[in-house]
Amino acid sequence: SYELTQPPSVSVSPGQTARITCSGDALPKKYAYWYQQKSGQAPVLVIYEDIKRPSGIPERFSGSSSGAMATLTISGAQVEDEGVYYCYSIDSDGLHRVFGGGTQLTVL
Amino acid sequence: QEQLVESGGGVVQPGGSLRLSCAASGFTFSNFGMHWVRQAPGKGLEWVAVIWYDGTKKYHRDSVKGRFTISRDNSKNTLYLEMNSLRVEDTATYYCARDKTSTTGESCFDPWGQGTLVTVSS
Repeated sequence: SYELTQPPSVSVSPGQTARITCSGDALPKKYAYWYQQKSGQAPVLVIYEDIKRPSGIPERFSGSSSGAMATLTISGAQVEDEGVYYCYSIDSDGLHRVFGGGTQLTVL
Repeated sequence: QEQLVESGGGVVQPGGSLRLSCAASGFTFSNFGMHWVRQAPGKGLEWVAVIWYDGTKKYHRDSVKGRFTISRDNSKNTLYLEMNSLRVEDTATYYCARDKTSTTGESCFDPWGQGTLVTVSS
């Protein structure tokens, strides 16, 4: 079965840049999407189609993708950005919808 | 504003059944595909099922095939998930989410409801 691999945790100080990676064999051909989930809340889409930012998402959130790895970058991370971030994509056949295991972002 | 509100969760014994509902408002429900995504306590996200905007196509993840059925009533702006033969491992918060499709046909989930908790336990 298809898998997306994320680091379990990332920690930065306020104002620093946080980078969260997501690796998957199909990412060279398929889009990556990123979700933020704060404690006790539903996930929120922060990046779609590798690099696009939905309206209402702060400009400090950006996405990139190169080869089999997608990256979510939070430039000047804020305390309110703490939470779990999930990448999402589909396999090369388009049959399996998969989330990464999630990355706990700590900003302190 | 666009809103999705799930209901129908609760505690059920293994082998039991439950029907979840998701009421949509603030957008034209019949124009969008819809998904169910679940999250076991303390775990990650797992896609469960999708239904086309008109209900003509449905897909379920392998682990729920034959037990769960996604459906919709566009006249009531409501999405459903019928869950039968429930197992302990189905315990999770179930979220409904609207489909967001790209020009390539790939899609994601946006927005999401607040979720409803299903607990399967004896």
